[in-house]
Amino acid sequence: GQQLNQSPQSMFIQEGEDVSMNCTSSSIFNTWLWYKQDPGEGPVLLIALYKAGELTSNGRLTAQFGITRKDSFLNISASIPSDVGIYFCAGQFRRGGSNYKLTFGKGTLLTVNP
Amino acid sequence: NAGVTQTPKFRVLKTGQSMTLLCAQDMNHEYMYWYRQDPGMGLRLIHYSVGEGTTAKGEVPDGYNVSRLKKQNFLLGLESAAPSQTSVYFCASSSGQGADGYTFGSGTRLTVV
Repeated sequence: GQQLNQSPQSMFIQEGEDVSMNCTSSSIFNTWLWYKQDPGEGPVLLIALYKAGELTSNGRLTAQFGITRKDSFLNISASIPSDVGIYFCAGQFRRGGSNYKLTFGKGTLLTVNP
Repeated sequence: NAGVTQTPKFRVLKTGQSMTLLCAQDMNHEYMYWYRQDPGMGLRLIHYSVGEGTTAKGEVPDGYNVSRLKKQNFLLGLESAAPSQTSVYFCASSSGQGADGYTFGSGTRLTVV
């Protein structure tokens, strides 16, 4: 089956620093998604990417859909303490019109020191 | 604006006991999923459903059963709990139309002693 490698597994940064994380896949996807999970909560969708090469921003977050369709990147600029959490990438290969299965990376645990 | 609601939020079971976790969504979504989350393992799909009355196995289905008798509800059952089933369980739903991702519940923390 499809596998996603997400790195790094964890990051410890100072407030104000920029953060980068990425996911690579053994096969192509036609959608990439990035989720954030706050402590004690379920994952929440941050950014969705639909086309190879696409670059999308959501506030201080920027994500890119790799041109090979096998990777994606998430950048967080000027980190703040509330950025703490686990960030998951997820990929999807749609067939027809249905989208019922996502493949998730194992997550990047982000700690921000004030 | 509830989204996906999971009950209970916490539960402690003794080995061999049974229980049912309830997931309810109010978004009229066709697809529903049960995941478990363990440290270092990410989210692993247990079972999923592509519509009322249907269920299918995910990557870690052993020891669990599910039912989708109503479109809005997806139940996860543990017939004979084992310590290896200690985990945080998440339910999610999606519309199946376009790439809208999943909406997750806030999780159930289960401890089996």
